[in-house]
Amino acid sequence: GAGVSQSPSNKVTEKGKDVELRCDPISGHTALYWYRQSLGQGLEFLIYFQGNSAPDKSGLPSDRFSAERTGGSVSTLTIQRTQQEDSAVYLCASARGGSETQYFGPGTRLLVL
Amino acid sequence: GDSVTQMEGPVTLSEEAFLTINCTYTATGYPSLFWYVQYPGEGLQLLLKATKADDKGSNKGFEATYRKETTSFHLEKGSVQVSDSAVYFCALTPIQGAQKLVFGQGTRLTINP
Repeated sequence: GAGVSQSPSNKVTEKGKDVELRCDPISGHTALYWYRQSLGQGLEFLIYFQGNSAPDKSGLPSDRFSAERTGGSVSTLTIQRTQQEDSAVYLCASARGGSETQYFGPGTRLLVL
Repeated sequence: GDSVTQMEGPVTLSEEAFLTINCTYTATGYPSLFWYVQYPGEGLQLLLKATKADDKGSNKGFEATYRKETTSFHLEKGSVQVSDSAVYFCALTPIQGAQKLVFGQGTRLTINP
């Protein structure tokens, strides 16, 4: 079956612009996670969704970052007023409810100039 | 907070060599432990996992044993192949709250023919 998909695969933007990153989880997976992979910080957790609610937002680095999930499916991560330090690969993962096994998408590579 | 420490890379071996990548963790209680692998140009994939002390996870010839006495989860393979070249991440999920993954810094492995 289809895996986790993310779009765009690459995004180049100018400092100060807003960007939206999209994640389509595996059908039926109620849990959805966003992570960030950067050279300096490694792989970091950003936010967790169970259904449409986000009980854990503890990894969002600043109030410029927000995310939503609609219909228990697609999720969008929005970064406002992008900064150069936001440059990274943003990974999305999904899991069945109660399962510890997360399935990752290919990521969105974001470059802020 | 919970954390994972991996041996630093890069690691370069010849085909058919024995592989060990060390991983230790700090966590409350007994978390679940994972090894994820990222092949060149691909997304993160679960390689193996163990959910309780003394469990051994195995897949594709790789093994790791959950050692609570030494808080370790070292990855081993008896005879590596060129196709094993990838970045390997050790990770845990805390026992409470969202099952977000806490990753080590990753170890890049290169196998030469």
